[in-house]
Amino acid sequence: YVLTQPPSVSVAPGQTARMTCVGDNLKGYSVHWYQQKAGQAPVVVMYYDADRPSGIPERFSGSNSEDTATLTITRVEPADEADYYCQVYEGSGDHVVFGGGTKLTVL
Amino acid sequence: QVTLKESGPALVKPTQTLTLACTFSGFSLSTTAESVGWIRQSPGKALEWLALIYGDDDKRYRQSLQSRLTISKDTAKDQVVLTMTNFGPEDIATYYCVHSRSGSGFHYWGQGTLVTVSS
Repeated sequence: YVLTQPPSVSVAPGQTARMTCVGDNLKGYSVHWYQQKAGQAPVVVMYYDADRPSGIPERFSGSNSEDTATLTITRVEPADEADYYCQVYEGSGDHVVFGGGTKLTVL
Repeated sequence: QVTLKESGPALVKPTQTLTLACTFSGFSLSTTAESVGWIRQSPGKALEWLALIYGDDDKRYRQSLQSRLTISKDTAKDQVVLTMTNFGPEDIATYYCVHSRSGSGFHYWGQGTLVTVSS
């Protein structure tokens, strides 16, 4: 199973960033999202498609429809600049699959 | 409070076996809902899942590396061990130990340990 993410997304501060994750019939899976800042371990920012862990700002939201899951960050801040990865559990093949990651640049 | 900490060598000779340990606290790896796994990241590259072990001792491996990986747990020590045989330059990476509960993703990560090849 393959998850495809755009290599990069750029937005200005205060704007909305949308990062996509594409997989075959992705709606049939629960998608989890991770934020990884430079030199740090990843942090989960969204799980089960649209659940936000405690401590993650309400500016972060998630959705999953058809073949595409989207992580949306509104009112983007410079501190949001990071790599973002989507992930699913799969029943066959590799049990855990990550997307290739999207680098969010805040202009 | 869940914590995980990786330990193991920073340098491994080519063709040798890498053994990493993950010592955790804050949960018991004794039920199907709980799992501990390993994820690595080569410099400048994406996250790559390696292996996962559930509390009922169900083990899952990355298909492309399955022949080289072994994951095990010691419930009494609250420890999970990963071995990787035939270590090579392509295995240079930061190795993370991670925890998941009920398939909700990896909410807890260790700090990671960088493993490189020694000449």
